[in-house]
Amino acid sequence: QVQLVQSGAEVKKPGASVKVSCKASGYTFTSYAMHWVRQAPGQRLEWMGWINAGNVNTKYSQKFQGRVTITRDTSASTGYMELSSLTSEDTAVYYCARDPFHRGGSGTGAFDIWGQGTMVTVSS
Amino acid sequence: QSVLTQPPSASGTPGQRVTISCSGSSSNIGSNYVCWYQQLPGTAPKLLIYRNNQRPSGVPDRFSGSKSGTSASLAISGLRSEDEADYYCAAWDDSLSGPVFGGGTKLTVL
Repeated sequence: QVQLVQSGAEVKKPGASVKVSCKASGYTFTSYAMHWVRQAPGQRLEWMGWINAGNVNTKYSQKFQGRVTITRDTSASTGYMELSSLTSEDTAVYYCARDPFHRGGSGTGAFDIWGQGTMVTVSS
Repeated sequence: QSVLTQPPSASGTPGQRVTISCSGSSSNIGSNYVCWYQQLPGTAPKLLIYRNNQRPSGVPDRFSGSKSGTSASLAISGLRSEDEADYYCAAWDDSLSGPVFGGGTKLTVL
C-alpha cells in the first residue's frame, strides 16, 4: 500500500546536526512533492520545506533557511531532511508528507500520506 | 510567520453537531484552499477535508468543511466518541510559499 516510513528516533547534543529519512512505497516517488513538517511537544504543526521529487526543486521556510537541507534519492525512493545547529527548541516530532496537489511550486497544504513521525530530542 | 487562529477547545455530546472555526488572512485563506486534519494522540495527522469541502475517500460524510472570505469552519455531525482528537486547519500561504497551520482545537466528546 501507499506509505511513507521514516527513520527512528534520534538524540542529539546542542550544536549537532540530524538527518531524517523518509522511504516511499506504493506510488511513483518522482510524481509528487514531499514536505517536511515538525511538531514540538504540545505545539502546532510547523512547515519546514518541500522538495519536488521529480525535478529536485526545493523551497524552505524562512525560519529554517540556512539550517535545513531537504534532498532525495530517486533510486531509493527516499527523501531526507537535515537540520543543523540544533538547540533544545528543535526537540520535536518531524514528519514527512506527500503532496498530491503540488503544481509549479504551489500547493494547497493538503497532504494525503504522512510518515509515522521521527522524534528528535536535543539535550546536553 | 503567518499562522491561522483556532479556538483551543470544543466539546459536544454524542449525536450532537459541533463546529470548529479557523481564521486567517488574505495571503492564505483569503486566496487559497483550506484543508483540515484530525490528529489522534501519538499519531500523524490524517487529512479530513481538502479544497475547502472535499473529503478523501474513507472519510465519513459526517465531516464537512466550508470557507468564506478569510475564515473557514469544520463541522462534525452525529458526534461519536472516536471523534475525540485534535483538529488542525491549514492553507497555503502566498507570502510563505508554503502551508500555514492553525494552533489546533482539542475536541472532547462528553
